[in-house]
Amino acid sequence: QVELVESGGGVVQPGRSLRLSCAASGFAFSTYGMHWVRQAPGKGLEWVAFISYDGSDKNYGDSVKGRFIISRDNAKNTVFLEMNSMTVEDTAVYYCAKKATGWFGEFLDYWGQGTLVTVSS
Amino acid sequence: IQMTQSPSSLSAVVGDRVTITCRASQSITTYLNWYQQKPGKAPKVLIYGASNLQSGVPSRFSGSGSGTDFTLTISGLQAEDFATYYCQQTYSVFNTFGQGTRLDIK
Repeated sequence: QVELVESGGGVVQPGRSLRLSCAASGFAFSTYGMHWVRQAPGKGLEWVAFISYDGSDKNYGDSVKGRFIISRDNAKNTVFLEMNSMTVEDTAVYYCAKKATGWFGEFLDYWGQGTLVTVSS
Repeated sequence: IQMTQSPSSLSAVVGDRVTITCRASQSITTYLNWYQQKPGKAPKVLIYGASNLQSGVPSRFSGSGSGTDFTLTISGLQAEDFATYYCQQTYSVFNTFGQGTRLDIK
């Protein structure tokens, strides 16, 4: 069965960096695009970033563009989110999610359990 | 692309028929998905491509719409349906979610 497990969350000071990982299993990881989505405490979902199956295409939300970097290691079935110049507004639960694609467009068919990132001095 | 859901919250009882609306700031054809999220859990897809029911999702959930206006309908609310619902557009590579609709028990 498909499983996505995020790790790397924790408490970080403003201006510092943190790297999240998402380990995937149960599907052909190297053939699927992957997304990161976050949710601030008590708030709604915010799309963060996308990486294509081979890493050649990357897109970012406006609030993280220029600060966050998404990458993947298909040999290790893992997707990463490197977060730099962090601010208190980056405090959220971060989810990785697998992209499903077809004639209907795309949607996120599997999600991890999330990892909490808290930016605080 | 901005996604606006209405209402932001609503109260209902078991057995009710409930409709949630999502409006896009420009046409997204049918590249619209609906998710359900329960407290402390990851979201779960219900409807994709505006009207296609994801495998394993009960048939009381249905979606419709195209262009800029979309609806999620739950026919015959069950206790397990009380949750927050989000729409998502994937017409643009810069995906966006609606702000969410919280459905709770009246």
